[in-house]
Amino acid sequence: DAGVIQSPRHEVTEMGQEVTLRCKPISGHDYLFWYRQTMMRGLELLIYFNNNVPIDDSGMPEDRFSAKMPNASFSTLKIQPSEPRDSAVYFCASISGRPQGARMNTEAFFGQGTRLTVV
Amino acid sequence: LAKTTQPISMDSYEGQEVNITCSHNNIATNDYITWYQQFPSQGPRFIIQGYKTKVTNEVASLFIPADRKSSTLSLPRVSLSDTAVYYCLVVTYTDKLIFGTGTRLQVFP
Repeated sequence: DAGVIQSPRHEVTEMGQEVTLRCKPISGHDYLFWYRQTMMRGLELLIYFNNNVPIDDSGMPEDRFSAKMPNASFSTLKIQPSEPRDSAVYFCASISGRPQGARMNTEAFFGQGTRLTVV
Repeated sequence: LAKTTQPISMDSYEGQEVNITCSHNNIATNDYITWYQQFPSQGPRFIIQGYKTKVTNEVASLFIPADRKSSTLSLPRVSLSDTAVYYCLVVTYTDKLIFGTGTRLQVFP
């Protein structure tokens, strides 16, 4: 497997424009996470899905943010309209919820991230 | 969720052993302890996971005392390439991967 694939790697957009970030999780993984990382706030969990269903979106900062997972191999994070304070690195990660024997699995795989700059 | 506390930063030299300790005083019975590593411009990467006692893999060792209120990540003979941020997580469920501020390790030649 090629790992978690995110696109684009870099995005520069003007304030007010719509931005769509994309993620392809590892095949067979049933959990998908979206994180945002900034120097000020660190690595924040925005939303996560289980079997394509959004479970917890309490980390989504505002209604301008939305996420979808139409199938097991694709997810999007959309910001509309974008603002300069949305500038950050956005990571997607996936994990298998199946226990490893008697152990809980806590090994998530992260993509390379999308560096978003809103000017 | 159990809160974790770890040093903000640590310095070391190549070839030394580095021990990063994480406090998690309110860890619950079913919680696991997991450590991740993050290099600049990359996503975090899983290092090691444990429940109690000692766990060792090809990268690191994880020491967990009997009361499980702390854990220590041990990196043997660090190199410059081990310069990174190290995160300690206490995980209750697979879907609750909450990252704190981490420990920034700087390795000098």
